[in-house]
Amino acid sequence: AQTVTQSQPEMSVQEAETVTLSCTYDTSESDYYLFWYKQPPSRQMILVIRQEAYKQQNATENRFSVNFQKAAKSFSLKISDSQLGDAAMYFCAYRSAFYRNQFYFGTGTSLTVIP
Amino acid sequence: DGGITQSPKYLFRKEGQNVTLSCEQNLNHDAMYWYRQDPGQGLRLIYYSQIVNDFQKGDIAEGYSVSREKKESFPLTVTSAQKNPTAFYLCASSFTGGAGRTEAFFGQGTRLTVV
Repeated sequence: AQTVTQSQPEMSVQEAETVTLSCTYDTSESDYYLFWYKQPPSRQMILVIRQEAYKQQNATENRFSVNFQKAAKSFSLKISDSQLGDAAMYFCAYRSAFYRNQFYFGTGTSLTVIP
Repeated sequence: DGGITQSPKYLFRKEGQNVTLSCEQNLNHDAMYWYRQDPGQGLRLIYYSQIVNDFQKGDIAEGYSVSREKKESFPLTVTSAQKNPTAFYLCASSFTGGAGRTEAFFGQGTRLTVV
């Protein structure tokens, strides 16, 4: 089974500043999908951003962008101009493009935004 | 609006009782999943199903059972054999094949407490 590692249990950022959350994964596959999910205090899981492994260009969604390093098996999330509403748990997830049967999640990073 | 609905939001169970958590989706997704979330442990897979009348155990299936009689529905039963059922339970669904939307969509969750 693939493993997804988030080595930062907690992070904090000043409002309007930039923060980067780390994620590494272990796989022998060449084609897969990577995701970042946000879980605010309501506990509703919300997709933040998605990256296809075959695409070299890093995905961007407004203030959220990723740094996808395929050879290093690294998938970090950068949040620019942090807002109070960004405070949440963030989960990194992996899904095989061939064996589309499971998602593998990291243990999460709790992000605090300081006013 | 299409989505995935879990009910109830809060559930209390007495020792020795079985309880069933409901999960319904109208997204026409093939695959459905049940996850358990405990503090500091991320999302752990209980069961998943890729097609009607078929399902597979995840990492922590002991003490749980599921059924998939309809594409839209994937109820989870927490049996009396589950020794520590107090947790937050998340249901998710996704497409399994083809290009396009590859992410999982989540319900709002059910908080189960043993009293």
